[in-house]
Amino acid sequence: EVQLVESGGGLVKPGGSLRLSCAASGFTFSSYAMNWVRQAPGKGLEWVSSISSSSTSMYYVDSLKGRFTISRDNGKNSLYLQMNSLRVEDTAVYYCARESAGTPDHWGQGTLVTVSS
Amino acid sequence: QSVLTQPPSVSAAPGQKVTISCSGSSSNIGNNHVFWYQQLPGTAPKLLIYENNKRPSGIPDRFSGSKSGTSATLGITGLQTGDEADYYCGTWDSSLSGKVFGTGTKVTVL
Repeated sequence: EVQLVESGGGLVKPGGSLRLSCAASGFTFSSYAMNWVRQAPGKGLEWVSSISSSSTSMYYVDSLKGRFTISRDNGKNSLYLQMNSLRVEDTAVYYCARESAGTPDHWGQGTLVTVSS
Repeated sequence: QSVLTQPPSVSAAPGQKVTISCSGSSSNIGNNHVFWYQQLPGTAPKLLIYENNKRPSGIPDRFSGSKSGTSATLGITGLQTGDEADYYCGTWDSSLSGKVFGTGTKVTVL
């Protein structure tokens, strides 16, 4: 069974940093691209970033380029999202999602990031 | 500011059919596969449709997807109370070099 478990969320002040992790199990992690998708409270889904299976390609939503960095460790079956210079508007539930043939097919339960003073 | 437009809400009685539209452009829906998700309150999105019209294993055939030009449609037949949820379309946008999601549609079973 595919399992994705996010961690690392919490309360952080504006301008602060946070690193999210996603632990994967139940599939060959190194064979799949991975994504981060976020959802602000009461709002819709927003794709944040994706990374290819071997980390050769990374993509970001334009509005976040330069502040967020996606990475992965295939040896540890883990996906990461380093978030810097956090803003109030970054407050959201952050989901990691496995990608199969261009489609995010399995999602974790999410981790809540709250940016507030 | 999503580039894919969906109606905010649709509703129908139990057993009836609803359709949800997803309107985009040639840089996204027009030239890329569309996927659809169901998000029940307080839960993570669940994949319903991929590659425009394919259902993952375990998804009942009451759910169907189609695409024509720069628009896609999700259909739900035999509506059940358990189908009350938010539904999102998504695809790759070649101009943005990233994935995009629709604005979301809330389905209400009357």
